[in-house]
Amino acid sequence: QSALTQPASVSGSPGQSITISCTGTSSDVGGYNYVSWYQQHPGKAPKLMIYDVSYRPSGVSNRFSGSKSGNTASLTISGLQAEDEANYYCSSYTSISTVVFGGGTKLTI
Amino acid sequence: EVQLVESGGGLVQPGRSLRISCAASGFTFDEYAMYWVRQAPGKGLEWVTGSSWNSGTIGYADSVKGRFTISRDNAKNSLYLQMNSLRPEDTALYYCAKDATTGDSGSYSFDYWGQGTLVTVSS
Repeated sequence: QSALTQPASVSGSPGQSITISCTGTSSDVGGYNYVSWYQQHPGKAPKLMIYDVSYRPSGVSNRFSGSKSGNTASLTISGLQAEDEANYYCSSYTSISTVVFGGGTKLTI
Repeated sequence: EVQLVESGGGLVQPGRSLRISCAASGFTFDEYAMYWVRQAPGKGLEWVTGSSWNSGTIGYADSVKGRFTISRDNAKNSLYLQMNSLRPEDTALYYCAKDATTGDSGSYSFDYWGQGTLVTVSS
């Protein structure tokens, strides 16, 4: 159950777009469409931003989008805003009926 | 309004046991898979365990398999985590989380989280 691989940090300016990658294997990201993305501000519980690779829960801004190609999933945030500064985690269902998270990416605006 | 409220955390010595609970409200508890996710101080998220709506499908992370047991009481809208043989590396904030979709296995995504209960394992 190795953690999914995410960049430790990314940065962008207000109004720009950024993409965070999440790399796994054919036993997790590549094998299932059960990839999710979470936003976590310091001291707060995580918030679901994307589920099932590309679906947004009700209330999540359409500036957030998800995709997947092979064993790598991606979260794109367009029109960056100051409140987007947070830690972002990906997760995936695995072939052994568990869930694995990525190590997290700190987004700096 | 969906609410998940964890309780039962605290300071425990290595090798001892602890049971934490999660009280759920604001949704039909017995229609959703439920999970425990933990976060060590200053670290990332780690999935611990999950249970389908009827406890028919249960999974554990390798790090806790054989030591932790998840259970649920649908009549009481409650989720539990029995933690035995605790280790210092189990020190973390333990979150209860709800699956985003209904169904036998859900979507393995977590749309509501509690505020967590802190478990500290130290002598």
